[in-house]
Amino acid sequence: GDSVTQMEGPVTLSEEACLTINCTYTATGYPSLFWYVQYPGEGLQLLLKATKADDKGSNKGFEATYRKETTSFHLEKGSVQVSDSAVYFCALIAARGYNKLIFGAGTRLAVHP
Amino acid sequence: DTGVSQDPRHKITKRGQNVTFRCDPISEHNRLYWYRQTLGQGPEFLTYFQNEAQLEKSRLLSDRFSAERPKGSFSTLEIQRTEQGDSAMYLCASSLERTLGNTIYFGEGSWLTVV
Repeated sequence: GDSVTQMEGPVTLSEEACLTINCTYTATGYPSLFWYVQYPGEGLQLLLKATKADDKGSNKGFEATYRKETTSFHLEKGSVQVSDSAVYFCALIAARGYNKLIFGAGTRLAVHP
Repeated sequence: DTGVSQDPRHKITKRGQNVTFRCDPISEHNRLYWYRQTLGQGPEFLTYFQNEAQLEKSRLLSDRFSAERPKGSFSTLEIQRTEQGDSAMYLCASSLERTLGNTIYFGEGSWLTVV
């Protein structure tokens, strides 16, 4: 079945460091891909999305590019801040998935001053 | 605030008791979802409504779980005869039927602890 695999955390970085969180997926057809973020004690917020191959989603300095050839959607940021500390979830909606999100296990990011 | 709201935010119950969670989606959204999230894991799909019709249920949704969405507005998720393994955060989400990939908005979740 459809699935998402993320790199395990926690990822610990110093402020202003570069971030990459790897995400790969398995799905038939052309799914839509998402990154959600969960801050401590809060619900999930959509960070960015891409709905077709080679699309780049971006928001708040984060970027991810939909790579069909490698079935990947890695999350990147050039300079992280302490306020970026959160859990990041990669997710997909299958082409015929009725908008049902399938999530990865999440990657915890801790950014230190 | 016009986001997805869930109630209660936290519930502690004894094993064997019944619990009910309520979700109020964003007002114009016709799709409503329930997910379950355990510590250290990503959310897992439980069930999905389009208007008042429950169109899909996960195998995770045992016969002790029931979800309703009367009149296509708010939804309830009831867990009967709770077990310790039911301890988790129950997330509600909603979206508007449109082209594939439209945004799904999540509530802040309802934490359940079964003791």
